[in-house]
Amino acid sequence: DTAVSQTPKYLVTQMGNDKSIKCEQNLGHDTMYWYKQDSKKFLKIMFSYNNKELIINETVPNRFSPKSPDKAHLNLHINSLELGDSAVYFCASSRHGSGFADTQYFGPGTRLTVL
Amino acid sequence: KQEVTQIPAALSVPEGENLVLNCSFTDSAIYNLQWFRQDPGKGLTSLLLIQSSQREQTSGRLNASLDKSSGRSTLYIAASQPGDSATYLCAVRDNNAGNMLTFGGGTRLMVKP
Repeated sequence: DTAVSQTPKYLVTQMGNDKSIKCEQNLGHDTMYWYKQDSKKFLKIMFSYNNKELIINETVPNRFSPKSPDKAHLNLHINSLELGDSAVYFCASSRHGSGFADTQYFGPGTRLTVL
Repeated sequence: KQEVTQIPAALSVPEGENLVLNCSFTDSAIYNLQWFRQDPGKGLTSLLLIQSSQREQTSGRLNASLDKSSGRSTLYIAASQPGDSATYLCAVRDNNAGNMLTFGGGTRLMVKP
């Protein structure tokens, strides 16, 4: 039983394209997140989202946008892809959001390569 | 702005050795600290979570300590095994909105049989 799943696992695309990465969690959690892990393996938060608030890391370009059709899904849309967007993107979820000290559960990652 | 540093960046030890991984953070106003394990090509697995009011947490052969005032945490692995080989990541959650984590760069551990 996969707790947090992401599709696709690998994504190769051309500069300038628009792409989406999907994330689903079956844990009944309220809050979901997107992280980016760059080539130097540094993990950085991009978004935190639940049905009440979207928190955006100020360093994230507005070409990136999270979309949540329901509580179990948080998809990541990326417009006008650039070479520097190449990275591994991780989705995560936790039971609660602000004000709670919950463990975050991570998906397997999506390796995005922009050519 | 919170910064998290992990030392060493890489570590290679023979099987059976006890070892310590270090994590330091610049802003001591944290909510909690979490240690993760990442295997190559895989996602992150949470190992231990220490609340800001706690000094340590234990799970099996793993023991994590937290000294919030000095901005330090250690992950102690007893009797290391080849299966412990992975990258270990430390992350802190600041007293801010969103439950967002700030990660260190990780320690890549290799345990040789």
